[in-house]
Amino acid sequence: KQEVTQIPAALSVPEGENLVLNCSFTDSAIYNLQWFRQDPGKGLTSLLLIQSSQREQTSGRLNASLDKSSGRSTLYIAASQPGDSATYLCAVVTGANNLFFGTGTRLTVIP
Amino acid sequence: SQTIHQWPATLVQPVGSPLSLECTVEGTSNPNLYWYRQAAGRGLQLLFYSVGIGQISSEVPQNLSASRPQDRQFILSSKKLLLSDSGFYLCAWSGKMNEKLFFGSGTQLSVL
Repeated sequence: KQEVTQIPAALSVPEGENLVLNCSFTDSAIYNLQWFRQDPGKGLTSLLLIQSSQREQTSGRLNASLDKSSGRSTLYIAASQPGDSATYLCAVVTGANNLFFGTGTRLTVIP
Repeated sequence: SQTIHQWPATLVQPVGSPLSLECTVEGTSNPNLYWYRQAAGRGLQLLFYSVGIGQISSEVPQNLSASRPQDRQFILSSKKLLLSDSGFYLCAWSGKMNEKLFFGSGTQLSVL
């Protein structure tokens, strides 16, 4: 069974720093990997989707990479802002739109 | 553009009472629909997914059921709630080709 792990569980950084969030998965047979953002008590917002054939995707200050063979993905956030504070979740799709989620990294950007 | 509506936002129910959470999607047809539960401090757990009207797949045995009476309507139900049913319930939709998943705003259910 696919297992998704996110490290660290929580991260605090001062405003303006660049940071990297990590996601690892046990079964490399995936269709795609998605990164989501969740604000407290809210639903999830899709940030980036990387297809299994791709190595990275970029959106604004966000860059996600995928190394399928090693079962790893990273989410790079440049020039962090207090508004980036949220929980970030990664999820892998293994088939029939079956997503396996990590438990998330809670990010706090300190002004 | 596509939108997803989920209600209610919060719900407090006594043990043994019934449950009905509703989710509707607008701006797309024949979406895949999902119900997830997020327990405190834990990841999201897929409860049900549906690829079409009347087609429901259950991922985990539980006290809940799901129905899809219309193409863009997905309902999560229970006849008798348990304390362990408390959690944050999220509805989501996606297209057919392993596309992005779009979530509703969630329902915080407290069973007392």
